[in-house]
Amino acid sequence: GAGVSQTPSNKVTEKGKYVELRCDPISGHTALYWYRQSLGQGPEFLIYFQGTGAADDSGLPNDRFFAVRPEGSVSTLKIQRTERGDSAVYLCASSPGLAGATQYFGPGTRLTVL
Amino acid sequence: AQSVAQPEDQVNVAEGNPLTVKCTYSVSGNPYLFWYVQYPNRGLQFLLKYITGDNLVKGSYGFEAEFNKSQTSFHLKKPSALVSDSALYFCAVRTLDGGSQGNLIFGKGTKLSVKP
Repeated sequence: GAGVSQTPSNKVTEKGKYVELRCDPISGHTALYWYRQSLGQGPEFLIYFQGTGAADDSGLPNDRFFAVRPEGSVSTLKIQRTERGDSAVYLCASSPGLAGATQYFGPGTRLTVL
Repeated sequence: AQSVAQPEDQVNVAEGNPLTVKCTYSVSGNPYLFWYVQYPNRGLQFLLKYITGDNLVKGSYGFEAEFNKSQTSFHLKKPSALVSDSALYFCAVRTLDGGSQGNLIFGKGTKLSVKP
């Protein structure tokens, strides 16, 4: 079946602009996660949804970052007033939401802020 | 604080030789442990996980890992390495204790290079 998809695959923007990154999880997966991976580092947790609600947003670095999942499926990560330090690969993962369930990752969106 | 350590930035192995990629963890509760592999410009691919039960876990592509509670380790192993195994490997831990709501905590990654 289809895996996790993310669009766009690459996004180049200018400092100060607003961007939206989209994640389409595996059908039926109730849990959805956003991570950020900087060069040479492992992914770092941003936010986790169980259904439509954000169950844990403790990883969002500041209030410029926001994410939604209005219908419990597709999620959008929104970044306002982008900064050069926001440049990274943004990864989305989904899982059935059970305690030991495997998270399946999408290919990521590479964000470059000039 | 919960953390994962991968002490080697890079592991070099000759094709056909056994390989080990090391991982240690620190969590406050019972850990769920995972290994993922990342090929260049690709997302993370799941290899295997330990939840409970047998300490030796077998996964995709001939990989296996051994959970050692006393040493808080979860090393990834393969009896005979292939050139195609060359990639970046990430160890991750998940716990539902404390403030974590189920997200994964990743190590920094280990680059595996298998030479012919």
